[in-house]
Amino acid sequence: SQQGEEDPQALSIQEGENATMNCSYKTSINNLQWYRQNSGRGLVHLILIRSNEREKHSGRLRVTLDTSKKSSSLLITASRAADTASYFCATVLLYSGAGSYQLTFGKGTKLSVIP
Amino acid sequence: EAGVTQFPSHSVIEKGQTVTLRCDPISGHDNLYWYRRVMGKEIKFLLHFVKESKQDESGMPNNRFLAERTGGTYSTLKVQPAELEDSGVYFCASSQAGLAGIRYFGPGTRLTVT
Repeated sequence: SQQGEEDPQALSIQEGENATMNCSYKTSINNLQWYRQNSGRGLVHLILIRSNEREKHSGRLRVTLDTSKKSSSLLITASRAADTASYFCATVLLYSGAGSYQLTFGKGTKLSVIP
Repeated sequence: EAGVTQFPSHSVIEKGQTVTLRCDPISGHDNLYWYRRVMGKEIKFLLHFVKESKQDESGMPNNRFLAERTGGTYSTLKVQPAELEDSGVYFCASSQAGLAGIRYFGPGTRLTVT
């Protein structure tokens, strides 16, 4: 069953504006990760937030996690044309004693930043 | 450090043909994963290798898909015979143990079955 589900599916903003993407999920998690995919490239890990954390920052990225609502948001401040990409959240669950983590992705949010 | 590489970048085949995709993980990464994204849908897990062993292959769609990782280095994913619904982008990822599940992805192979 689908776990992470991003909202909106597509977002178009002007350079300099902030972009907010949301992710909802259904089951318990160990952590939640956000990835970016530029066209024709692989996914690149952006940021990880653990289930006991509420907010995390990395450069122009701010991620929040609300485990009671089973939701997360990714905020990109002062967006640039180079931020144009698809963004995916991945819910992460530890699934075996060997320390293996299962990642479940959503459909992604396609962000377009207009110069 | 070289990243995850995949070959080919794009493959167009006819229904009923066979295609083999290859993934070279980051050197030293014991964990190797295959994912697939059908257009407009979510990225779905296919299977997970730890070294040469299949740890989890619960996402493999059916027995037309065969993944191998001989020697625990590179991996291949063979689709035989290919069907139209197999079209999509196949991603490979690798990871080290103990990094809370962070994956390093390859650029993907876009498979088109006509």
